[in-house]
Amino acid sequence: AQRVTQPEKLLSVFKGAPVELKCNYSYSGSPELFWYVQYSRQRLQLLLRHISRESIKGFTADLNKGETSFHLKKPFAQEEDSAMYYCALSFLAQGGSEKLVFGKGTKLTVNP
Amino acid sequence: DAGVIQSPRHEVTEMGQEVTLRCKPISGHNSLFWYRQTMMRGLELLIYFNNNVPIDDSGMPEDRFSAKMPNASFSTLKIQPSEPRDSAVYFCASSSWDSTGELFFGEGSRLTVL
Repeated sequence: AQRVTQPEKLLSVFKGAPVELKCNYSYSGSPELFWYVQYSRQRLQLLLRHISRESIKGFTADLNKGETSFHLKKPFAQEEDSAMYYCALSFLAQGGSEKLVFGKGTKLTVNP
Repeated sequence: DAGVIQSPRHEVTEMGQEVTLRCKPISGHNSLFWYRQTMMRGLELLIYFNNNVPIDDSGMPEDRFSAKMPNASFSTLKIQPSEPRDSAVYFCASSSWDSTGELFFGEGSRLTVL
């Protein structure tokens, strides 16, 4: 079954420190992976997707098929990065429609 | 476009009452998703529609939950009767075939069942 695991519910770092939010997935096909972010009092929104291989707000994520991981990293955390982060897996489900399943999320707090 | 619109934003009700949550997807999007967010379980997919047709409702907790999408611009999620354990934030999201997996979320409906 398709599953996304985020082992850390809470992560706290100091401003300027590196941060890594872990994500592992379970999927027998070719995965499409995403990171979504929810800032306080804002909508859940897409942060980045692995197929774009982009850096957004200083964040990057590399898909490691051998380890079935898609960890989110930033070398120098900022206070405004404090938010809830969700890793998500997209796959073709029954009927040919795309389905997106999320991990349970990691709450990142960046302390001054 | 105002994005995905959900109502009500907040609802407080008593156990046993019927609750109806509403969603207006982004115009032109052909897929609609209902998610439930709790501290314990994170974001759970309840049901999703493709071109107004329910595709997968395996995430719906039990028969007390039902969802409809009578047309491309409106969907409802109904809980009858509601129970305290249904208290959560319910999100609606929509996407189009060319959005390459990106979902656009509403602001959510926070439900409290007393």
